[in-house]
Amino acid sequence: QKEVEQNSGPLSVPEGAIASLNCTYSDRGSQSFFWYRQYSGKSPELIMSIYSNGDKEDGRFTAQLNKASQYVSLLIRDSQPSDSATYLCAAPRRGAGSYQLTFGKGTKLSVIP
Amino acid sequence: DGGITQSPKYLFRKEGQNVTLSCEQNLNHDAMYWYRQDPGQGLRLIYYSQIVNDFQKGDIAEGYSVSREKKESFPLTVTSAQKNPTAFYLCASSMFDEQFFGPGTRLTVL
Repeated sequence: QKEVEQNSGPLSVPEGAIASLNCTYSDRGSQSFFWYRQYSGKSPELIMSIYSNGDKEDGRFTAQLNKASQYVSLLIRDSQPSDSATYLCAAPRRGAGSYQLTFGKGTKLSVIP
Repeated sequence: DGGITQSPKYLFRKEGQNVTLSCEQNLNHDAMYWYRQDPGQGLRLIYYSQIVNDFQKGDIAEGYSVSREKKESFPLTVTSAQKNPTAFYLCASSMFDEQFFGPGTRLTVL
């Protein structure tokens, strides 16, 4: 089983709608999770970090962590065309002694005007 | 301005050549990383370094080499032994578990 899995999409939502991006992970011991946004041709940008069960909100973005079910999600409210990008989920790498992360392959989001 | 810089932005290599990609950070981060990204693929770890003068192989280190002589710098050399080096190369740094990325270098083999 891959350590971090994401649906590759593409996920298409109309402008103004809520986009929901999901990620599952295999290591029950993982304590921290990260969402990165990557525009086409650009490098990943860290947009959310979450360390405890429940929701964490930052502007239009909400990260949700459910450790019992081993999934983490990212909700984008009032989606804008500028949110169109690939979103990468990351978690600490199992068994690594350093701050290594393992990344999902990403979900491509398209927001339709 | 704190951040991570990578140069060059684009790099073209002929068969049999070694090329070196630069990565510099002024965030005072201890750890630095090199990833490779191919179309439709996730990020794959090439090398990482937790402290100066120490570095470890990642998942795809064959054909690559690195050095870490200064905290701020972590250059990556793509050697002629790397058979398929055309890719987007990303450098990252971290103090703890949040990693921050540089703008990347796109390497093309001619």
